[in-house]
Amino acid sequence: SQKIEQNSEALNIQEGKTATLTCNYTNYSPAYLQWYRQDPGRGPVFLLLIRENEKEKRKERLKVTFDTTLKQSLFHITASQPADSATYLCALPRGGANNLFFGTGTRLTVIP
Amino acid sequence: GAGVSQTPSNKVTEKGKYVELRCDPISGHTALYWYRQSLGQGPEFLIYFQGTGAADDSGLPNDRFFAVRPEGSVSTLKIQRTERGDSAVYLCASSLKRQGSGANVLTFGAGSRLTVL
Repeated sequence: SQKIEQNSEALNIQEGKTATLTCNYTNYSPAYLQWYRQDPGRGPVFLLLIRENEKEKRKERLKVTFDTTLKQSLFHITASQPADSATYLCALPRGGANNLFFGTGTRLTVIP
Repeated sequence: GAGVSQTPSNKVTEKGKYVELRCDPISGHTALYWYRQSLGQGPEFLIYFQGTGAADDSGLPNDRFFAVRPEGSVSTLKIQRTERGDSAVYLCASSLKRQGSGANVLTFGAGSRLTVL
């Protein structure tokens, strides 16, 4: 069955460093992959979308890569700030259908 | 409206009771989704509407769960004979996506936290 795994439940890094989060998937060939941010008590908020024919996408301090051979996406936050502390979720279209299938998320804490 | 609105934000009920959770999507968004999120987990898909019809209800866990969207806008998730295991945050999302076209970006509401005692 289709599966999405995010590298760890929690990641702590020092302010100013680059945070790297991993999303791996199996039994799947998605046309695109998305990353969302979720703060406590709120719904997820869309950050970035990367398509299968794109290797890399950037938005301000965020960078996403997508390796369809490894079946993996990496999500980087450069020059991290305490305000970046949140849970980050990767999501893929569900089996070609019109809904999204989410990973379990990685809780990032940026320490001042 | 400006965003996806969900009511109530919190609901505490007793085992066996009936519950309704409401979602008011972004105006003009044809697609509407319900997800369930337990503590420490990602959102788990329940059901997806395209217009008034349920295009995919394969995530509904059993026949105690039902959702409607009678006019293609507001949706209600209904849970009968609630059980303690139904306790979770129920998230609603909407998108502009048309059936079969392009990538799908969801806008979520803040969720309805359901606690079944």
